[in-house]
Formats: sequence, C-alpha cells, structure tokens
Amino acid sequence: AQSVTQLDSQVPVFEEAPVELRCNYSSSVSVYLFWYVQYPNQGLQLLLKYLSGSTLVESINGFEAEFNKSQTSFHLRKPSVHISDTAEYFCAVKGAGSYQLTFGKGTKLSVIP
Amino acid sequence: NAGVTQTPKFQVLKTGQSMTLQCAQDMNHEYMSWYRQDPGMGLRLIHYSVGAGITDQGEVPNGYNVSRSTTEDFPLRLLSAAPSQTSVYFCASSPRSGGADTQYFGPGTRLTVL
Repeated sequence: AQSVTQLDSQVPVFEEAPVELRCNYSSSVSVYLFWYVQYPNQGLQLLLKYLSGSTLVESINGFEAEFNKSQTSFHLRKPSVHISDTAEYFCAVKGAGSYQLTFGKGTKLSVIP
Repeated sequence: NAGVTQTPKFQVLKTGQSMTLQCAQDMNHEYMSWYRQDPGMGLRLIHYSVGAGITDQGEVPNGYNVSRSTTEDFPLRLLSAAPSQTSVYFCASSPRSGGADTQYFGPGTRLTVL
C-alpha cells in the first residue's frame, strides 16, 4: 500500500514570487509520482509526472518537481507564479504493479496580486 | 473526442433514494475509475475497472455499486443515498490499467443528499 502527505493545506503567495508545494510519500515498492491541478469548478488535469530516469521533471507552464528517493519527497516548485496559477494541487502516487492511484489531500495555492 | 463525460452535473436526492451517475469515455481506454472529493480529504477511490466485465473495490466502496458492460461506460449506482454521500464525484480513465498512464478526469457530478 502507498500513502501521500501534502504538508500544507493552503499556500498564499504574492504574484511573481517563487513557490514550493511539499509532498512526501510512503510505499514498500517502487513508485510513479504525479502532480495534478484542479482549477475552480473543474476536474483534475495532469501537471507533470515522474516515471524513471532524471529526477527533475518539468511541465509546459513553468512548474518543476524533483524526485528525492532518500527523502521520499516529490516537491513542486515554480520560480515565479502568476494569478492564473491559483488552483488546488494534488500529489499522487502509484505503486509499480498497482492499479490504484492514491492522492494527497491537496494544497490550495492562492496567488495574491 | 469528447474525452470523459459525466451526467448529471448536479443532483439533489432525499435520503434513501437511489440513482445512477453516468460516465462515458470515447478514447478506448482500458482503465476507468470513480473518486469522491470531499473538502480537506483529497480524492478517494470508490471503485475501478481494468476492462469490460472486470471491476474491483477501492478505498471507500460501501454504499456504491458499479458494472462495466462495455469499454466506454462505467456507471456508479448509489443504492440507498445517505447524507454522508454528499460529495463531488469524478470519473477518470487511462489507456492501460498498469504502468504510469495519465488519468483523464471528467468534469464531475455534485451530489447533495438531504
């Protein structure tokens, strides 16, 4: 079984400031890691995912996440946020050989003008 | 491609009533799943299917029933609605059941049980 902990339920940040959303996971097997984003009143969309290889993965809109196996973390970062990044962000883990995707409780990012 | 569609968008039920939430995908995806989203709880898996005729329970299956007679459709049935089932329900699909395929989510159904 696997589990995910998102350490912050809400993160307010000023526009153009950097942000880090923290995610830790636990699993007894190797894992795939994901970040999904949910804009208000919408379903979830994939932001980025780690499968294997390079531990740093990037999205098309400037977010990046680094897989750290020793710390069992997959933190999401952006060097300069925009108003349009205001959304809820979910970290998720899937164990190798598992059919189930396990989500964290989410972090609400609020970008302040 | 319409992607993953869900109907209805909103529904209000009385305690004890039954209903079916519809989910369909037109991407020929093997894997389909149902989640519920509650404030501060993230998404929790209710049931999932790895192909037509094959379903299994997730984390919170009690009070819900599913079937998958075709690749495209994966309806979720509430047998006897309870206020604790007030939630937003999301259907999702992915090309394969194993591996790290992206899950594609529908727009959600907001259910209120009085």
